Amino acid sequence: GAVVSQHPSRVICKSGTSVKIECRSLDFQATTMFWYRQFPKKSLMLMATSNEGSKATYEQGVEKDKFLINHASLTLSTLTVTSAHPEDSSFYICSAPFSGTGDTQYFGPGTRLTVL
Amino acid sequence: SQELEQSPQSLIVQEGKNLTINCTSSKTLYGLYWYKQKYGEGLIFLMMLQKGGEEKSHEKITAKLDEKKQQSSLHITASQPSHAGIYLCGADMGGGSNYKLTFGKGTLLTVNP
Repeated sequence: GAVVSQHPSRVICKSGTSVKIECRSLDFQATTMFWYRQFPKKSLMLMATSNEGSKATYEQGVEKDKFLINHASLTLSTLTVTSAHPEDSSFYICSAPFSGTGDTQYFGPGTRLTVL
Repeated sequence: SQELEQSPQSLIVQEGKNLTINCTSSKTLYGLYWYKQKYGEGLIFLMMLQKGGEEKSHEKITAKLDEKKQQSSLHITASQPSHAGIYLCGADMGGGSNYKLTFGKGTLLTVNP
């Protein structure tokens, strides 16, 4: 199947700093990518839809100024957590649909963010 | 309320036993995905079902979508320790082509050798 990568896999930062997470589709192009957040023992919560060439679409309750999304190219989307706080600590996962296998969504390996 | 209900929440089976995980919605599901996740890792795609009554199999895992497209089951035959993990069902509940998925809370499977 298609491959989606994320970088970094783990990041620890101080409160008040910003952290950028990259999501790349390695062998296919993705005009749309999705960013999810997962709390321990909880399901995935869709945060936003990243659109190449246009603004991201945020789900209700997600602060767009807090979670900046930039879809820089057809293979790269970035999520920047600005002025991070300990409550932002979570597991962030991105996904991208691959039409080659019937619009299957492929997920990245996730990024564990810990804010001290 | 949860749009996608998964049951059971957790399951412990002996190696070699069969098991079934269910995913139910009160709404029509336009695409139903099954994923497996190891804790702290990404999601591994297992299967996608779109048509009512559809059934797919891969190795020892079979997934079905009912005719009404509101319920799906994942069945593992002769379970092995390698099957252990969190199984998540995700669904396109909007009917459009925006690929947005809603997920159930997951089922934690433990397979004892």
